[in-house]
Amino acid sequence: SQKIEQNSEALNIQEGKTATLTCNYTNYSPAYLQWYRQDPGRGPVFLLLIRENEKEKRKERLKVTFDTTLKQSLFHITASQPADSATYLCAFSSNTGKLIFGQGTTLQVKP
Amino acid sequence: GAGVSQTPSNKVTEKGKYVELRCDPISGHTALYWYRQSLGQGPEFLIYFQGTGAADDSGLPNDRFFAVRPEGSVSTLKIQRTERGDSAVYLCASSSLELDTQYFGPGTRLTVL
Repeated sequence: SQKIEQNSEALNIQEGKTATLTCNYTNYSPAYLQWYRQDPGRGPVFLLLIRENEKEKRKERLKVTFDTTLKQSLFHITASQPADSATYLCAFSSNTGKLIFGQGTTLQVKP
Repeated sequence: GAGVSQTPSNKVTEKGKYVELRCDPISGHTALYWYRQSLGQGPEFLIYFQGTGAADDSGLPNDRFFAVRPEGSVSTLKIQRTERGDSAVYLCASSSLELDTQYFGPGTRLTVL
């Protein structure tokens, strides 16, 4: 069956460092991969989308890579700040718009 | 402009009761999605509307769950004979086109006692 895995353990890093989050998938060939941020008690907020024919996408301090051979996406936050502390979700979509989410990784940036 | 709104924000009900959860999408968005999120998990797809019709309801767990969008705007998720396992946060999202960015509401936290 289709499976999407994110590191369930929380990631704790020091302010100013680069945070790297991992998303792996099996038995799936997604057309798009998306990353969302979710704060407690709130709905997910869209951050970045990368297509299957793209290797890398950047937006300000954020960078996403997509390796269809490894079946993996990496999400980087450079120069991390305490305000970046949240849960980050990866999601795959086919051509219908339906999103399949991973379980999310909680990031804690310490000042 | 206004984002996606969901009401109520919290709903506590007893096992066996019927509940309705409402979603107001962003004005003009034709696609509307319902997801369910349990604690410590990512959102799980339930159903997707394009306009008034359900384009994909493959995520509805059983026939106790039903959703409507009669005028292509507001949607209602209906759960009959609620069970304790239905307790979760129910999220609604909308997008202007089928493959566009989805904008999520704050969710309705459903607790079945």
